[in-house]
Amino acid sequence: EIVLTQSPATLSLSPGERATLSCRASQSVSSYLAWYQQKPGQAPRLLIYDASNRATGIPARFSGSGSGTDFTLTINSVEPEDFAVYYCQHRSHWPSLTFGGGTKVEIK
Amino acid sequence: EVQLLESGGGLVQPGGSLRLSCAASGFTFSSYTMGWVRQAPGEGLQWVSTINGPGGSTFYADSVKGRFTISRDNSKNTLYLQMNSLRAEDTAIYYCAKDLVAAVDRRGWLDPWGQGTLVTVSS
Repeated sequence: EIVLTQSPATLSLSPGERATLSCRASQSVSSYLAWYQQKPGQAPRLLIYDASNRATGIPARFSGSGSGTDFTLTINSVEPEDFAVYYCQHRSHWPSLTFGGGTKVEIK
Repeated sequence: EVQLLESGGGLVQPGGSLRLSCAASGFTFSSYTMGWVRQAPGEGLQWVSTINGPGGSTFYADSVKGRFTISRDNSKNTLYLQMNSLRAEDTAIYYCAKDLVAAVDRRGWLDPWGQGTLVTVSS
């Protein structure tokens, strides 16, 4: 089983700062990686798929990069509505889907 | 607009059963692989089960295999999860989710998700 490790667990930022979230896979997942955002009391929302493709309606300040085992989600100039928990997920062993433990982006 | 609406959650005793439903609208339901993902209180996301568009292929996480059954009624645009022999560790919010695209080689990205239904297993 491929394990996804997200870091940091918590990221404290002020609005307008850049957020850099990491997701590391225990073995290569090629580009089969997605990122989701979850706000309190809400369902997760797909942000990025195939490592770098933004989902429909996702603002351009969200970008994804990486391949193999190391991936990054970047939020340029964090907005107040971006404070949430972010999860990475891979599908390289579909139908089994694996999620990382999450990174909480909180207001500093 | 694509919408997914779960129902059927509630409080059940250990060893009991529950059937969750997910009513879908806004897309050609039978063309898409669908799945269930759960989230225990204060915890992360865990994939539970997946079913292909026609309903002939089903897949389960090891933790629920033999106890849970996923199914769908494409005439009613509804996804189901029959949960038997429930345990305390099955307590979670259960989300249904649609695959992002219908293409067989692009399965596994979940978008959108329903609002979730809470299942509590406790005596």
